[in-house]
Amino acid sequence: KNEVEQSPQNLTAQEGEFITINCSYSVGISALHWLQQHPGGGIVSLFMLSSGKKKHGRLIATINIQEKHSSLHITASHPRDSAVYICAVRSGGNQFYFGTGTSLTVIP
Amino acid sequence: EAQVTQNPRYLITVTGKKLTVTCSQNMNHEYMSWYRQDPGLGLRQIYYSMNVEVTDKGDVPEGYKVSRKEKRNFPLILESPSPNQTSLYFCASRLAGGSQETQYFGPGTRLLVL
Repeated sequence: KNEVEQSPQNLTAQEGEFITINCSYSVGISALHWLQQHPGGGIVSLFMLSSGKKKHGRLIATINIQEKHSSLHITASHPRDSAVYICAVRSGGNQFYFGTGTSLTVIP
Repeated sequence: EAQVTQNPRYLITVTGKKLTVTCSQNMNHEYMSWYRQDPGLGLRQIYYSMNVEVTDKGDVPEGYKVSRKEKRNFPLILESPSPNQTSLYFCASRLAGGSQETQYFGPGTRLLVL
């Protein structure tokens, strides 16, 4: 069972390109999170969404509750954006379910 | 500095030898949680706690125990570790409720069970 599906699994981009990572989920949720995991393993929370759209610097996250879908966009990508991006949903209780991640490599 | 700490960071052990991985946070967060991360499976929730003395099972609780006697600490106990518990473990914490849902993750503990 995969409550959260992400695509693509792997993504290679040239520096400066616009990047989109998609997340679909099958459970009822209270909130959706986007996380970033760097090669060293550390995990950082980027966004929490329950509706609409949020922007932080070059990162934009959107969610469509009716379609059970979220996207993470990176504008003007940079090699330092290379990381694994993970979509996570909090169910109606306090359980979290995670996608398997999208590995992004940005080439100079 | 606001942080979640885990110890040890790396551990090699043998089947059946009880071990504890500690987790501590200094942000007065009510919610704490343990996850394991495995290649191809991603992160999965083991246990979580909404506050002192309140714990609940996540997606993969078998073979693990937790306790929450103090707000800042949430240790993960493997009473009889087995090789299938070899994994990368993360502890995380956040404020409970409202819009403050940002989870703060510890640095991870790499466990190898032989």
